[in-house]
Amino acid sequence: EPEVTQTPSHQVTQMGQEVILRCVPISNHLYFYWYRQILGQKVEFLVSFYNNEISEKSEIFDDQFSVERPDGSNFTLKIRSTKLEDSAMYFCASTPKETQYFGPGTRLLVL
Amino acid sequence: AQSVTQLDSHVSVSEGTPVLLRCNYSSSYSPSLFWYVQHPNKGLQLLLKYTSAATLVKGINGFEAEFKKSETSFHLTKPSAHMSDAAEYFCVVSGFHGSGNTGKLIFGQGTTLQVKP
Repeated sequence: EPEVTQTPSHQVTQMGQEVILRCVPISNHLYFYWYRQILGQKVEFLVSFYNNEISEKSEIFDDQFSVERPDGSNFTLKIRSTKLEDSAMYFCASTPKETQYFGPGTRLLVL
Repeated sequence: AQSVTQLDSHVSVSEGTPVLLRCNYSSSYSPSLFWYVQHPNKGLQLLLKYTSAATLVKGINGFEAEFKKSETSFHLTKPSAHMSDAAEYFCVVSGFHGSGNTGKLIFGQGTTLQVKP
């Protein structure tokens, strides 16, 4: 059964550094999402992406964040200059229409 | 705006006894509602979904949920808990924005289910 995959599973970075989180959505899906879950808190929506552009973004998704689908298969989330408060689990999801399928997540730790 | 409230942060049951995880939602539109489960160090797995068809929805692993519009509830139940059911459960509503459903999911705070032998 097709799955959403994410790499890396864990990433440790220094404050101020750039990170790129990678996702490979299920191949025939059209809508892509990033969510994050800070430890002990609820899962929060970051951004949705459709037809090669952002369709909605949350207040969290400021100028430090960007998303890209560079090659028709990967879907990336870039954080330009990481802050301590960016430490969280980041989930990618994709859907053909309604039901979203989630990847296993990338745990990001900013020191 | 849409929102979801899970009424219990932690539920503990004995193996073989019923499970009830409570969820209330708020939505200006006819909502799509979901329950997802997260096992330790794993991703989010869809248990079941309600999308305006039958109000009693059956999911995987013996779970089901009933959509009650009058009570704005979507409680998750299982007749008999198994040790493998121990996990974090999220009630989720699909978000609407402006002209329609953007697809973003709005999560509840989560309920940790503990199953005792």
